[in-house]
Amino acid sequence: NAGVMQNPRHLVRRRGQEARLRCSPMKGHSHVYWYRQLPEEGLKFMVYLQKENIIDESGMPKERFSAEFPKEGPSILRIQQVVRGDSAAYFCASSPRTGAPMNTEAFFGQGTRLTVV
Amino acid sequence: GEDVEQSLFLSVREGDSSVINCTYTDSSSTYLYWYKQEPGAGLQLLTYIFSNMDMKQDQRLTVLLNKKDKHLSLRIADTQTGDSAIYFCADAGNTPLVFGKGTRLSVIA
Repeated sequence: NAGVMQNPRHLVRRRGQEARLRCSPMKGHSHVYWYRQLPEEGLKFMVYLQKENIIDESGMPKERFSAEFPKEGPSILRIQQVVRGDSAAYFCASSPRTGAPMNTEAFFGQGTRLTVV
Repeated sequence: GEDVEQSLFLSVREGDSSVINCTYTDSSSTYLYWYKQEPGAGLQLLTYIFSNMDMKQDQRLTVLLNKKDKHLSLRIADTQTGDSAIYFCADAGNTPLVFGKGTRLSVIA
């Protein structure tokens, strides 16, 4: 059973381009969480999705950022018209269910490191 | 909003004990977690403690929780060079984890 798979591991985009980050959860996991880690910072929650539904997007910027988790395929975090401040590591975690101790069953991917030049 | 605070750096000699401290503000926290992040990697769950416990021991790891003071600590016994990493304290008062900024542990051989 492969772990949480994120790709690409590294992504370089010019200002104004679009970035697409993919997350394939662990087999059997239907809950996906996206976090952003700015340099020298902890992880900040962005969005929580279940299959085809956004459950909580309170941590996601209102503009340029969107997320989806379709019935088939990976979860996608999309950043339009990237700016230098979007440079960060983006981590995805998946779990089979919600509610504590959900986090004891949540596994993190290795992250996508986005650099905006 | 909720806040989790940690000291940013800790340096210890190989074989000594490391103690990483964390304070949190959410009094409704049910679980508190310690994660380890090695360079260029994701987060690995090390251990967690339920809020009605004072202490949890797991091999070289000991977690102490003072719920009154909202203080959490992680003790690593017999620290090894392989323990060098960033350690994050996280609070699960609500489902989305709230993380501290991480403590960078350096182990000197």
